[in-house]
Amino acid sequence: GAGVSQTPSNKVTEKGKYVELRCDPISGHTALYWYRQSLGQGPEFLIYFQGTGAADDSGLPNDRFFAVRPEGSVSTLKIQRTERGDSAVYLCASRTGDTGELFFGEGSRLTVL
Amino acid sequence: GDSVTQMEGPVTLSEEAFLTINCTYTATGYPSLFWYVQYPGEGLQLLLKATKADDKGSNKGFEATYRKETTSFHLEKGSVQVSDSAVYFCALGVYGNNRLAFGKGNQVVVIP
Repeated sequence: GAGVSQTPSNKVTEKGKYVELRCDPISGHTALYWYRQSLGQGPEFLIYFQGTGAADDSGLPNDRFFAVRPEGSVSTLKIQRTERGDSAVYLCASRTGDTGELFFGEGSRLTVL
Repeated sequence: GDSVTQMEGPVTLSEEAFLTINCTYTATGYPSLFWYVQYPGEGLQLLLKATKADDKGSNKGFEATYRKETTSFHLEKGSVQVSDSAVYFCALGVYGNNRLAFGKGNQVVVIP
């Protein structure tokens, strides 16, 4: 597609459940980012992929969070044993080149009951 | 660490009014600076950027100047329209501009 696509757009789950959020970046973009945005806050960095490898995962809050990008295109953010505090909008972005513009998807809104 | 601070609170103003949103930063190196905008129901999109001191970024009537001496990157527009209603985020590139650190954002509401 023309832009960054994220699915699902909304996800409601129960505390303790496992969740996967998918990001399909702009074709040809080598760098892919995951951010988390809580209500009233700016996006908070989680992880950055360059190609298939995680170049920087220092923003992942704990070991319940994991992300993969096996073929250097689509990425999946995985959250185990979800907690109510994980409720937020999860944003994906991609870019090409070293200092190019970040293109964001519309986000996946996760609600943990 | 590297960070961005935006002025507190939403901004409500009338159409054709002058808009300023303050942004200051703390950085160890020489980061690029950005303003992103989020219109209702849409994803974040780049509004403008500046890559070095004294650069001015501009787009859609908005401007911001990279001021190293005051560590600021304030966003301005001379005459706002209802369609400018959105949330505006200031950001800086960190770790060699490999990722962005965002401010909390400012909700701007323009009333006709």
